[in-house]
Amino acid sequence: DIHMTQSPSSLSASIGDRVTITCRASQSIDIYLNWYQHKPGKAPKLLIYAASSLQSGVSSRFSGSGSGTDFTLTISSLQPEDFATYYCQQSHSAPLYTFGQGTKLEI
Amino acid sequence: EEELVESGGGLVRPGGSLRLSCAASGFSFGFYPMNWVRLAPGRGLEWISFINGPSEFINYADSVKGRFTISRDNAKSSLYLQMNNLRHEDTAVYFCARDPGGPRSRFDLWGQGTLVTVSS
Repeated sequence: DIHMTQSPSSLSASIGDRVTITCRASQSIDIYLNWYQHKPGKAPKLLIYAASSLQSGVSSRFSGSGSGTDFTLTISSLQPEDFATYYCQQSHSAPLYTFGQGTKLEI
Repeated sequence: EEELVESGGGLVRPGGSLRLSCAASGFSFGFYPMNWVRLAPGRGLEWISFINGPSEFINYADSVKGRFTISRDNAKSSLYLQMNNLRHEDTAVYFCARDPGGPRSRFDLWGQGTLVTVSS
């Protein structure tokens, strides 16, 4: 199975900061990498798919990059509503998927 | 509005069974592959099962294979997860999630989840 490792596991930041979260795959996954945001009690939300494609309706503050084994999610200027947990997901081996362990973004 | 609503969660003893449902509305349910994903306390998201639109292809994570069964009724726009021989480690919020299809698989619509607690 493909293993996904995110870093950091948690991150403290302030409003207006630029934040980067990284995700590394245990083997090459081309660009089959998605990013999600999750807040407690809410449905997870797709932010980025295919490594760098912005999901419809998602703020352009969010961007993704990378290919092969190394990927990043960047939030250009943190807003209060961005404090959440972020997960990467590989879909290279679809329909068998794996998520990263999550990055909790806190104020 | 496109929506997924899970139900059927609750408290169950180890070794017991539970059936989760996911009601879809606002889109042509039968055309879309669907998944179940769970979030256990203190842990991250874990994909557990996939079913394609016509129910021709099904897949499971090793952690639930042989104990859980995914199914769907396209006429009722509903997805199901039959969970048998439940264990403490199955305690989690269970989400259903839609895959829009195509070569770039991703989960573009999720429900808010239903809580399953396995405890004696």
